[in-house]
Amino acid sequence: QVQLQESGPGLVKPSQTLSLMCTVSGASINNNAYYWSWIRQLPGKGLDYIGYVFYSGSTYYNPSLRSRLTLSLDTSKNQFSLKLTSVTAADTALYYCARDTISGSGSRYFDSWGQGVLVTVSS
Amino acid sequence: DIQMTQSPSSLSASVGDRVTITCQASQAIKNYLNWYHQKPGKAPKALIYAASNLETGVPSRFSGSGSGTQFTFTISSLQPEDVGTYYCQQYDKHPLAFGGGTKVELK
Repeated sequence: QVQLQESGPGLVKPSQTLSLMCTVSGASINNNAYYWSWIRQLPGKGLDYIGYVFYSGSTYYNPSLRSRLTLSLDTSKNQFSLKLTSVTAADTALYYCARDTISGSGSRYFDSWGQGVLVTVSS
Repeated sequence: DIQMTQSPSSLSASVGDRVTITCQASQAIKNYLNWYHQKPGKAPKALIYAASNLETGVPSRFSGSGSGTQFTFTISSLQPEDVGTYYCQQYDKHPLAFGGGTKVELK
């Protein structure tokens, strides 16, 4: 079955760039049935949608992060990545990568998730 | 943006109890609504998609209904492994959005 695994530094200094990678196994990211997505969870809070990258390289960014966010993918390595610039303490969160599966009926949902990586923004 | 409001924010119930959670969308979203369960320290897991469809492998005690702006999620007979937080999520319009969550505990 598909597995997703986030990787990246757990500590980032304010004003620097947060970079995370998601490695996918058991499925190819070069597939038009999925949006490869990022979701974060602030400490003790709910889930916030960050955005997705499609197999073609097209992206969607949550407007709340759009000016600081870049999502991309590397099909040769079956990985996709997140870069968030100019981070502040408000970006401290548990970051999940997830597969958003599109069905022929038009439904879509996050059917596979990574375990999450905690990123703390602090000097 | 579409806002998703869940109620209650928390509940305590006994094993075998029927548990109901509601989710209200700030505008009509057809049946474009999913439900997830997050156990402490774990990633969320999909339970219901498109308002009423059970994800493969999910026990039949879980069910969902609704359309438009009002949705309901039900556990027909609460089990110990059902504790955790439940989230609804709309996918009618971007940005996709989750409800604030309902924390379910055992009494």
